[in-house]
Amino acid sequence: KAGVTQTPRYLIKTRGQQVTLSCSPISGHRSVSWYQQTPGQGLQFLFEYFSETQRNKGNFPGRFSGRQFSNSRSEMNVSTLELGDSALYLCASSFLAGEETQYFGPGTRLLVL
Amino acid sequence: SQKIEQNSEALNIQEGKTATLTCNYTNYSPAYLQWYRQDPGRGPVFLLLIRENEKEKRKERLKVTFDTTLKQSLFHITASQPADSATYLCALGNSGGYQKVTFGTGTKLQVIP
Repeated sequence: KAGVTQTPRYLIKTRGQQVTLSCSPISGHRSVSWYQQTPGQGLQFLFEYFSETQRNKGNFPGRFSGRQFSNSRSEMNVSTLELGDSALYLCASSFLAGEETQYFGPGTRLLVL
Repeated sequence: SQKIEQNSEALNIQEGKTATLTCNYTNYSPAYLQWYRQDPGRGPVFLLLIRENEKEKRKERLKVTFDTTLKQSLFHITASQPADSATYLCALGNSGGYQKVTFGTGTKLQVIP
């Protein structure tokens, strides 16, 4: 079974731009969660989607948004990029929402200049 | 607010010895605690889960303890090998509902041959 895939793997943007990241969960998994990982803050929860609905949201500004499609693939969007948005963005999938064990993708490394 | 502390940012240990990593938390009553391994440029990989009513769990060379009175988990790798070198993350989760996992910032373990 293929693992969680994320595209693109690396991205360079400038301040003020917007970015869209994509995540394809493990086949059959219907829940996708997104995390931001930085050296100072560690892994921080952004949001979780299940059956195309956002089920839970972390403490991030409204510039961070996401969606999930009927095939469970998910995208997250960050608008008006700031330097502090430079991070590794990870998505994780599980069969059901709120499952204890999540399977992480390799992440998208975003650098904002 | 909830806080998770992992004992040190980095830990160096001689090959063959037992590595012990610590995860302390405050202002939290987790239903379970997880340990993940993360290699550079990759997403975290789930290793072990221990529930609030369990004291100890083992998997091959790995052992996790969970003391809800001390609010602490210890993660042991026995007979450590250079291949065990990685960053180890602890994560605390609530039961039920949707994704509510909080991660520590991790401990980077280096096993020296």
